[in-house]
Amino acid sequence: GQQLNQSPQSMFIQEGEDVSMNCTSSSIFNTWLWYKQDPGEGPVLLIALYKAGELTSNGRLTAQFGITRKDSFLNISASIPSDVGIYFCAGQAGETSGSRLTFGEGTQLTVNP
Amino acid sequence: NAGVTQTPKFRILKIGQSMTLQCTQDMNHNYMYWYRQDPGMGLKLIYYSVGAGITDKGEVPNGYNVSRSTTEDFPLRLELAAPSQTSVYFCASSRGTKNIQYFGAGTRLSVL
Repeated sequence: GQQLNQSPQSMFIQEGEDVSMNCTSSSIFNTWLWYKQDPGEGPVLLIALYKAGELTSNGRLTAQFGITRKDSFLNISASIPSDVGIYFCAGQAGETSGSRLTFGEGTQLTVNP
Repeated sequence: NAGVTQTPKFRILKIGQSMTLQCTQDMNHNYMYWYRQDPGMGLKLIYYSVGAGITDKGEVPNGYNVSRSTTEDFPLRLELAAPSQTSVYFCASSRGTKNIQYFGAGTRLSVL
C-alpha cells in the first residue's frame, strides 16, 4: 500500500522558535491534509491542500503542496506552548471523498517555555 | 455542536470477550471511517462506509466487523478480543467531494 514518510519523528524547541516538518511519498497524491492531535483527543484538521504548488496559511501555520505531488511541508512560526502535540500529514490519492487517506506516523512537538 | 461522538471513552476487555464501539455523527455526512492508532504510530484504516448500507474493508480489517444501518451511526464490533487489538480507536466522518475528515475523541481499549 501507499506509505508516507513523515519527519522528523519528534522535535524539542524553545518557545518563539519556528518549526518545519515534512512528508514525502513514493506515490502521487491529489490532496494533502495536516492534522494536529492533542493528548487524549482525536486529530483536528489544520490545513487542507488541493493543488500542486498551493501554499496555504492558517494563522501562524503555513503548508505547501509540493509541485511533484509527492510531498508537503508544514511550518509553524513563533511557536507557543499550546502548539505542543502530534502533527500528522495525510494524503489522498483518489478524486472522491470515499478515497482512503494515508497517514504519516506523526511528528511529536514539544515546546519549552 | 457535537460533531462525531464516540462511546465509551475507555474500556478493558478480557481475551475472547466481545464489544461494540459506538460512533455517531450529527453533520449528515455520508462517509464514515474507523481507524486504530497504536502507540507512536499513525492511523490505520479498519473499515469505511460511503453511505447507509454500504461498507468496505480498509487496511487492517481482520478481527473487526461493521454495519451502517443509518447515516448517523457506524458501530465497530470486536467479536473475539485479542491483545493485538489493544489500541486507540477513532471514528471519523466526511461530507463528500473534499475529503476533510472530522474525528471523534477516541476510544481507548485494552485487551488483557
